[in-house]
Amino acid sequence: DIQMTQSPSFLSASVGDRVTINCKASQNINRYLNWYQQKLGEAPKLLIYNANSLQTGIPSRFSGSGSGTDFTLTISSLQPEDVATYFCLQHNSWPYTFGAGTKLELK
Amino acid sequence: VQLVESGGGLVQPGKSLKLSCSASGFTFSSYGMHWIRQAPGKGLDWVAYISSSSGTVYADAVKGRFTISRDNAKNTLYLQLNSLKSEDTAIYYCARGEYTTDYPDYWGQGVMVTVSS
Repeated sequence: DIQMTQSPSFLSASVGDRVTINCKASQNINRYLNWYQQKLGEAPKLLIYNANSLQTGIPSRFSGSGSGTDFTLTISSLQPEDVATYFCLQHNSWPYTFGAGTKLELK
Repeated sequence: VQLVESGGGLVQPGKSLKLSCSASGFTFSSYGMHWIRQAPGKGLDWVAYISSSSGTVYADAVKGRFTISRDNAKNTLYLQLNSLKSEDTAIYYCARGEYTTDYPDYWGQGVMVTVSS
């Protein structure tokens, strides 16, 4: 199985900050990497698919980059409503596997 | 797209439970579907997938115990959970598989399954 190592586990930032979250795959997953946002008590929501494509309706302050084994989710200017846990998912091969998550809080 | 899970609850170890996911707002029969779970306070754990043609894939942790199925006439996805263990305690989400590459795109709100004596 492909292991997804996500970092950091916890992140505290201020409104307006640029925030980056990383995922590293244990083997090449091409660009088959998604990012999801999960707010407290809610279902996950797709933000970015195929490494760098913005899902419909997601604000443009969210962006993704990377290919192969190293990927990054960037929030260009943190907003209060971005407080959530963020997960990466590899869908290059079965079984699909998630990163452990990054909990983002406001400083 | 709307996905609504049901059928969760408290069940004893070794017993069975069947979850349902009612789908609307899209052509259900044309899409693959996933079950994904989340243990309390933990991360996401992919469980199973069924294609539009009813091919299936399972996580090793549930293979031989869980069965994913679908009824296209009822626009409903199912997960049969047998031989339940305490470590199966989680919120179970159904999610639609994106049309061309099958990754989970839209998710339901989830249903809680608690395995305890």
